[in-house]
Amino acid sequence: GIQVEQSPPDLILQEGANSTLRCNFSDSVNNLQWFHQNPWGQLINLFYIPSGTKQNGRLSATTVATERYSLLYISSSQTTDSGVYFCAVFSNAGGTSYGKLTFGQGTILTVHP
Amino acid sequence: NAGVTQTPKFRVLKTGQSMTLLCAQDMNHEYMYWYRQDPGMGLRLIHYSVGEGTTAKGEVPDGYNVSRLKKQNFLLGLESAAPSQTSVYFCASSYDWGEAFFGQGTRLTVV
Repeated sequence: GIQVEQSPPDLILQEGANSTLRCNFSDSVNNLQWFHQNPWGQLINLFYIPSGTKQNGRLSATTVATERYSLLYISSSQTTDSGVYFCAVFSNAGGTSYGKLTFGQGTILTVHP
Repeated sequence: NAGVTQTPKFRVLKTGQSMTLLCAQDMNHEYMYWYRQDPGMGLRLIHYSVGEGTTAKGEVPDGYNVSRLKKQNFLLGLESAAPSQTSVYFCASSYDWGEAFFGQGTRLTVV
């Protein structure tokens, strides 16, 4: 099946710093999503971004499907940005009968005041 | 509009007991998924469904069964719970490869 790799695995920032998280995937995908898992365990939808660039406040994301990667940018980070950021892709790569949503291992972000 | 609702939110089981987790969605989505998340790990797919009456295995299906008798509901069953099944379970739904939405999770402890 498809492989989804996220980097870096851990990231520690001071409040106000900017960061870039990366998601690489091994095959063609139909869609890509970014999620934030907050400290209470809730999964929050950030972006649905099969290709192109989207922005939502201090966050933006870019997916280059032809080169099989996506980037999540966080600007002027805040302590409330802390948590785990997941990338997930929908693909039927590997000859599976049905497409499915596969997650990367996540990036753990800690923002200190 | 409730989105995706998981029942129960917490459960403690003894080894060997059985239980069923319920996932309900009100968005008329075709796809539904069950994942497990263990400490420090990402979400691993257990089983998923592409429509009423159709299910498929994910990465870690052993020890679990599923049923999708109604489009809005996806049930995850543990026939004989084991401590290795202690985890947080998440359900999700989507319209084909559209945006997926997740439930709030079920924290299961098997003692």
